[in-house]
Amino acid sequence: GAGVSQSPSNKVTEKGKDVELRCDPISGHTALYWYRQRLGQGLEFLIYFQGNSAPDKSGLPSDRFSAERTGESVSTLTIQRTQQEDSAVYLCASSGSRGANEQFFGPGTRLTVL
Amino acid sequence: KQEVTQIPAALSVPEGENLVLNCSFTDSAIYNLQWFRQDPGKGLTSLLLIQSSQREQTSGRLNASLDKSSGRSTLYIAASQPGDSATYLCAVNNQGGKLIFGQGTELSVKP
Repeated sequence: GAGVSQSPSNKVTEKGKDVELRCDPISGHTALYWYRQRLGQGLEFLIYFQGNSAPDKSGLPSDRFSAERTGESVSTLTIQRTQQEDSAVYLCASSGSRGANEQFFGPGTRLTVL
Repeated sequence: KQEVTQIPAALSVPEGENLVLNCSFTDSAIYNLQWFRQDPGKGLTSLLLIQSSQREQTSGRLNASLDKSSGRSTLYIAASQPGDSATYLCAVNNQGGKLIFGQGTELSVKP
């Protein structure tokens, strides 16, 4: 399909383990965003990529969270030493260029930390 | 700091009714405002995008308005159907990048 895809769709891990979440944006979209939605809460911004650089990392909650993007395409969000409060749905979005364009979201990765 | 508020938090209407969802934001210096729907356990589906220079956008039975100076947007749904049942989210983009979301309005349309 032509939409944003994310993998895995579900991930269950034990506290203290590292996890990697993947996002494939819409082909040609230069801007990529990560958001988090914890149960019963609104969506929180995590990080924004323009091309391969991240001009806004202000939403990353701690240094256990990191993200990278390569080839102006796929992005990986890594959470080290997972904690139970990291349990959430992690959503990725992409848009055609920086700033004012419509953002299109993927289906999300549901992360459960036991 | 931009804050986005959506009222009501939940709404239940009979099928066929017209309805209005409200969104307000505290900082009027926005690039655009986007309305989404979210079905349970699913991602977000973009419904309408209004640029800061626009007053409204229409798509089918949906009409979104924007009054930037007063910090308000409304989403009007005409002739509601049970398939419209979902959570509707309003989000503003005021730094040319990240979206700031409201808490959403959970809509239930009863047959």
